[in-house]
Amino acid sequence: EVLLVESGGGLIHPGGSLRLSCIASGFIVSENYINWVRQAPGKGLEWVSVVVPGGRTHYSDSVKGRFSISRDTSKNTLSLQMNNLTAEDTALYFCVRYSFGSAFDIWGQGTLVAVSS
Amino acid sequence: DIQLTQSPSSLSASVGDKVTITCRANDGIGSYLAWYQQKPGKAPKLLIYSASTLHSGVPSRFSGSGSGTKFTLTISSLQPEDFATYYCQQLHNYPRTFGPGTKVDIK
Repeated sequence: EVLLVESGGGLIHPGGSLRLSCIASGFIVSENYINWVRQAPGKGLEWVSVVVPGGRTHYSDSVKGRFSISRDTSKNTLSLQMNNLTAEDTALYFCVRYSFGSAFDIWGQGTLVAVSS
Repeated sequence: DIQLTQSPSSLSASVGDKVTITCRANDGIGSYLAWYQQKPGKAPKLLIYSASTLHSGVPSRFSGSGSGTKFTLTISSLQPEDFATYYCQQLHNYPRTFGPGTKVDIK
């Protein structure tokens, strides 16, 4: 079964750091485009970052310089290192596969990040 | 960055109604547009990609059309399980922006 499972969310103070993880099953992370998409409570979807098969990464302007996406091929996992968090980063974070020629076809269930003092 | 707008932002409809949602891009994106359905507390699900290609397993009452800057999602006969929020997304370039969503609820 093709599956993505996120973990690592929690409550963090402003200015703090958090590392999210995403474990993939049924496909190889390094051969796919894997994204992070977030959704603030009651709001719409916001694309955050992607790592492409060749290793190049892209970020939204709102997280550039604070977030870093990476992958561990030995564990078939993806990570999102989030630094200098603010209240505006509070959201449900989804790990999502993009299938080339298609779209965002596999979504995890999400992990909740809450930034509050 | 490509900006997407959706209209309407919400609509009320009855089972059996035909529903049309429009997504507009502020610059041409060819056919690099996808539609997703999201129900409360759940992850979004892919409905349509490449503007008009139905994703595997999606009922044929869903259809998409358009290219360039104007796109539409049509539900030919609304079913009870279709009450949800619908998002468009451009896959033409980065950042991979989403539209603000259209909430479809029961009249």
